[in-house]
Amino acid sequence: GAGVSQSPSNKVTEKGKDVELRCDPISGHTALYWYRQSLGQGLEFLIYFQGNSAPDKSGLPSDRFSAERTGGSVSTLTIQRTQQEDSAVYLCASSLEIGGWPSEETQYFGPGTRLLVL
Amino acid sequence: GQQLNQSPQSMFIQEGEDVSMNCTSSSIFNTWLWYKQEPGEGPVLLIALYKAGELTSNGRLTAQFGITRKDSFLNISASIPSDVGIYFCAGLSGGSYISTFGRGTSLIVHP
Repeated sequence: GAGVSQSPSNKVTEKGKDVELRCDPISGHTALYWYRQSLGQGLEFLIYFQGNSAPDKSGLPSDRFSAERTGGSVSTLTIQRTQQEDSAVYLCASSLEIGGWPSEETQYFGPGTRLLVL
Repeated sequence: GQQLNQSPQSMFIQEGEDVSMNCTSSSIFNTWLWYKQEPGEGPVLLIALYKAGELTSNGRLTAQFGITRKDSFLNISASIPSDVGIYFCAGLSGGSYISTFGRGTSLIVHP
């Protein structure tokens, strides 16, 4: 596709329910990132995938958060037993690769999924 | 996590005015990035800077990579209403793939 796409665009759920957020990166991009953006805040790094390497999960806030990337393309971020403080915009970004020219590491963002936990 | 110090937090200006915002860090970065985020959208890359001292323009936007590698600024000349949005700076350290983001500068332009 032309850009990074995310679905759903909006999600309202009840506290305690599980949610799955999907990201389709730019075709050919090997690196994929998930961020969380709370109201009035900058972007908080969650997790990073690069090719077939083990993901960097250092930014995940708790063990309720997990992510997968199947076939080196589509990624799913799962939040189990959602809490009200999980309400935020979840942004996905992809880049061509890591370790190449700096311009190839530039991240391109999707429109985000707005999650509201009631 | 670590965040950059971005200022000002918000700006309310008249159409036609010039705008300046900056980011500072206690850490050295090898790459500085400036993004704009409009309501309901993800951040869009405006300018990327890869060398200390580099000055780069993109239309009415100009950004510089500070010589100390610990700061960067973004200028917008002759602002127009569609410049409204939140502008984020981000820094990348050498060998790291995790960008550190500022908290953003919210820009409102009055016609």
